[in-house]
Amino acid sequence: GAVVSQHPSWVICKSGTSVKIECRSLDFQATTMFWYRQFPKQSLMLMATSNEGSKATYEQGVEKDKFLINHASLTLSTLTVTSAHPEDSSFYICSARDSFQAYLAFFGQGTRLTVV
Amino acid sequence: KQEVTQIPAALSVPEGENLVLNCSFTDSAIYNLQWFRQDPGKGLTSLLLIQSSQREQTSGRLNASLDKSSGRSTLYIAASQPGDSATYLCAVRGTTDSWGKLQFGAGTQVVVTP
Repeated sequence: GAVVSQHPSWVICKSGTSVKIECRSLDFQATTMFWYRQFPKQSLMLMATSNEGSKATYEQGVEKDKFLINHASLTLSTLTVTSAHPEDSSFYICSARDSFQAYLAFFGQGTRLTVV
Repeated sequence: KQEVTQIPAALSVPEGENLVLNCSFTDSAIYNLQWFRQDPGKGLTSLLLIQSSQREQTSGRLNASLDKSSGRSTLYIAASQPGDSATYLCAVRGTTDSWGKLQFGAGTQVVVTP
């Protein structure tokens, strides 16, 4: 099946620094990728929809300037958490929608971010 | 706004018993419904995808039903095994969203004891 690679799988950073998370579709093209956030024992909450070559669409309540999304190619989207704070600590998961099988979305393995 | 609810939140069964996991959604205008498995600290593995026109999907010991009019889906796992221990999430894709965003339930945490 299709593979979505998310990197890093975990990261610890200091307050005030920025962290970049990558999401790659390895064997298919993904014009659309999605970024989710998951708090402990809670469901995934969609943060933003990333479209190749255009600006991301953010969900209500998600700060655009804090969570920068770039989708520069058909196989790569990045999420940058800027000026991270402890409350940004969470599990971030991306998914990529196959451009040719649009009803299928494949998920990365997630990134555990801890801000100290 | 679509709301997805999963009951129960947690479930513990002895090995060999059948598992029944429930998912309900408030807006029946869905494109499809998907069941996922999530292991602790890991991403999601897709188990079954049911299109809105289908009533059920089967894969091995897994069977998922969909009753779109009543806003319900049930995932059955036959003859449970300790390896089935995980959190199971259901998610719906709404017809009004052209990009296919998924709305997730909070999940059912399953523990199968040997």
